[in-house]
Amino acid sequence: DSGVTQTPKHLITATGQRVTLRCSPRSGDLSVYWYQQSLDQGLQFLIQYYNGEERAKGNILERFSAQQFPDLHSELNLSSLELGDSALYFCASSATSGRLKQFFGPGTRLTVL
Amino acid sequence: AQSVTQLDSQVPVFEEAPVELRCNYSSSVSVYLFWYVQYPNQGLQLLLKYLSGSTLVKGINGFEAEFNKSQTSFHLRKPSVHISDTAEYFCAVSVLGAQKLVFGQGTRLTINP
Repeated sequence: DSGVTQTPKHLITATGQRVTLRCSPRSGDLSVYWYQQSLDQGLQFLIQYYNGEERAKGNILERFSAQQFPDLHSELNLSSLELGDSALYFCASSATSGRLKQFFGPGTRLTVL
Repeated sequence: AQSVTQLDSQVPVFEEAPVELRCNYSSSVSVYLFWYVQYPNQGLQLLLKYLSGSTLVKGINGFEAEFNKSQTSFHLRKPSVHISDTAEYFCAVSVLGAQKLVFGQGTRLTINP
């Protein structure tokens, strides 16, 4: 158990809908990272937050957004969902922004029908 | 930009046989290198990392990897595998000052009895 929790575990929704994925980092970790794992794209970095502020951005679509709250949990919002957004979404956390060891959560599996 | 190539998408081996999972990277600057393991239906777990110093790095579960700067490789090895090593293995790089991990496409290790 990495100490990173993600909810829900599974999410099934329809095209055009909007969903919110939630992540609670390890106790004391200030940095949260979001990754997408899909069959065609592999494992890709989406975005990072550190202590409430966006710190780095990767291959994140404009339809996707994220935020980190004062209690350090983070939410990834996916809107206008398309079939291709079906994937496993991982959250990871680390103690500081440049910390090299990231602890991964179990992921949320999103299925868009 | 950095990129990671895992040369084998699948590697089948017999139990107690040795295994090598190959990883090559491309970067114009110095990188940090990682191997993560993903067991079925679980998140990613760090196996080992190379930051600096000795080029032979030992990790958990009997795995080790060797950093070869001239060949830009970071191959993962285990002298004798067990059924429980069945998983997907990801090689990743990050750059000092950059927050994200760049992952390879993964290698599925299957252990046959």
